[in-house]
Amino acid sequence: DAGVIQSPRHEVTEMGQEVTLRCKPISGHDYLFWYRQTMMRGLELLIYFNNNVPIDDSGMPEDRFSAKMPNASFSTLKIQPSEPRDSAVYFCASTLSGGPQFFGPGTRLTVL
Amino acid sequence: GDSVTQMEGPVTLSEEAFLTINCTYTATGYPSLFWYVQYPGEGLQLLLKATKADDKGSNKGFEATYRKETTSFHLEKGSVQVSDSAVYFCALRGAGGSYIPTFGRGTSLIVHP
Repeated sequence: DAGVIQSPRHEVTEMGQEVTLRCKPISGHDYLFWYRQTMMRGLELLIYFNNNVPIDDSGMPEDRFSAKMPNASFSTLKIQPSEPRDSAVYFCASTLSGGPQFFGPGTRLTVL
Repeated sequence: GDSVTQMEGPVTLSEEAFLTINCTYTATGYPSLFWYVQYPGEGLQLLLKATKADDKGSNKGFEATYRKETTSFHLEKGSVQVSDSAVYFCALRGAGGSYIPTFGRGTSLIVHP
């Protein structure tokens, strides 16, 4: 298996623009997680899905953030409109119930 | 709620030195415990795990023992290499059927030749 795949690896955008981050989990995994990592806050859980259904989005910082998982092999995290304070590395991770998490390589987002 | 506390970094060592990174946790019951490693520019990857008290997880020369009496899961390695330079995260997964892990803040390790 190729592992968790994220795209793009780097994204530079201007404040106010829409940003879409993409994730392909490991085939057969039933949980998918979106995290944000910054120096100030460390690793934060934004939202997670179980069998494509959003279970807990309490970590989503505000309404500008939204996430979808239309099928078992694809998820998106969207920020609209983006702000400079959204600059961070965003990770997607997947797991099979009861097992450890497998992380993607991350998307480094810079909002100017 | 569940929580994980790690020692502040960075930890700076010379090659072949002994490494300890402290991790303590707060959780009800018997959580599963993990160490993840994050190399520069990469995502976190599982280093080792332990699922019950007194279990010892080991991988790549790293070890950690699940100590219920002290609620600890300290990471050790007898002789570090420059290639071990990374950020190390301690994590737990609660015993109540939740698959949502709780991560520590991470400890940066820098190994000099």
